[in-house]
Amino acid sequence: AQKVTQAQTEISVVEKEDVTLDCVYETRDTTYYLFWYKQPPSGELVFLIRRNSFDEQNEISGRYSWNFQKSTSSFNFTITASQVVDSAVYFCALSEAYGGATNKLIFGTGTLLAVQP
Amino acid sequence: DAGVIQSPRHEVTEMGQEVTLRCKPISGHDYLFWYRQTMMRGLELLIYFNNNVPIDDSGMPEDRFSAKMPNASFSTLKIQPSEPRDSAVYFCASSFASGITDTQYFGPGTRLTVL
Repeated sequence: AQKVTQAQTEISVVEKEDVTLDCVYETRDTTYYLFWYKQPPSGELVFLIRRNSFDEQNEISGRYSWNFQKSTSSFNFTITASQVVDSAVYFCALSEAYGGATNKLIFGTGTLLAVQP
Repeated sequence: DAGVIQSPRHEVTEMGQEVTLRCKPISGHDYLFWYRQTMMRGLELLIYFNNNVPIDDSGMPEDRFSAKMPNASFSTLKIQPSEPRDSAVYFCASSFASGITDTQYFGPGTRLTVL
């Protein structure tokens, strides 16, 4: 069965600190996709990144970086020099490829990040 | 390009009333999803459509819930009769299946309160 675990329920940091949000997933499939979404206080879900199971290269986008490690089934998200605007709930999600088509997203429970000024 | 549009943004109703939530997906997207978010259960998929056809409705909680997609640019999620435990934020998302899978883009959500 597919499962996404975000063990950190809440994290509080002071502005300019670096912070890493953990994501561990379970899947029996060899082809799958991993995602991160951000949910700011306004409530919408904002797509941040998609990574497929065949691409273990880390990715950096500005202050955001992602570390994908198949050996540990983890897809961690790091924010460098955090800012107050980063305060949000962050969701990790898994999508499997089966039967030739997929799009079902399995979400983790989310990590609430509070960045204090 | 307009994103996924949902209406209404907020809905307050009384138990027993019919509630209809609406969604307009991103133009050109061929998958549409309905999710529900609650504190207890987190984000859960209710149903999804491909080319206007329901593919998987195993997440629909019970017969009081129904969803339709009469055309590529419109979908509804209906609850009849509504109950207080249906109070949640309902999200619609859409995607374009280029290859095996693609990114789902979410609407702003409808916050439903059933009194």
